[in-house]
Amino acid sequence: AQRVTQPEKLLSVFKGAPVELKCNYSYSGSPELFWYVQYSRQRLQLLLRHISRESIKGFTADLNKGETSFHLKKPFAQEEDSAMYYCALSGSSNTGKLIFGQGTTLQVKP
Amino acid sequence: DGGITQSPKYLFRKEGQNVTLSCEQNLNHDAMYWYRQDPGQGLRLIYYSQIVNDFQKGDIAEGYSVSREKKESFPLTVTSAQKNPTAFYLCASSPRAGGYTFGSGTRLTVV
Repeated sequence: AQRVTQPEKLLSVFKGAPVELKCNYSYSGSPELFWYVQYSRQRLQLLLRHISRESIKGFTADLNKGETSFHLKKPFAQEEDSAMYYCALSGSSNTGKLIFGQGTTLQVKP
Repeated sequence: DGGITQSPKYLFRKEGQNVTLSCEQNLNHDAMYWYRQDPGQGLRLIYYSQIVNDFQKGDIAEGYSVSREKKESFPLTVTSAQKNPTAFYLCASSPRAGGYTFGSGTRLTVV
């Protein structure tokens, strides 16, 4: 069964500290993984996807197939990074549907 | 200005009533999706449609119905059979291969 697990409901760090939001997935094939972000009073939006191998707003995520993980990292957190973050998996053949994790709220304190 | 529009933003329903949530997109996306967002449970897929006049059940389709008569529109009806309809509903669309664009959501409350 396809599943995405984000073990932390809330992650609280101080400004300038490193951040790692954990995401583990369960899928037998070759998944496509995404991170979505929802800032306060804004729409859910795509942050990054693993096939792009890009860094957005200083965030990176590497797909580790051995550990079935796709953790989101940023070396120095900023207050504007405070938001809800969702990890998502697309694995079904060509349906495009995404399976989302439970979400992690990141709180960056001044 | 391309985008995806959900209406209304807030909706109140009496028990036993059906209500329909609107979702319209002008992005020329083939696929559209409805998710339900509950605290601590993430987003759960209700229904999705990959092309006009075709749609499939997601993980929590019971008590909901949809139609896809036009590419731009994918309305969701919450029926009286849905036991716990109070939630935040999100619509999304995507091209054949790509990330989602989300609407701003509709908050439904049963009174």
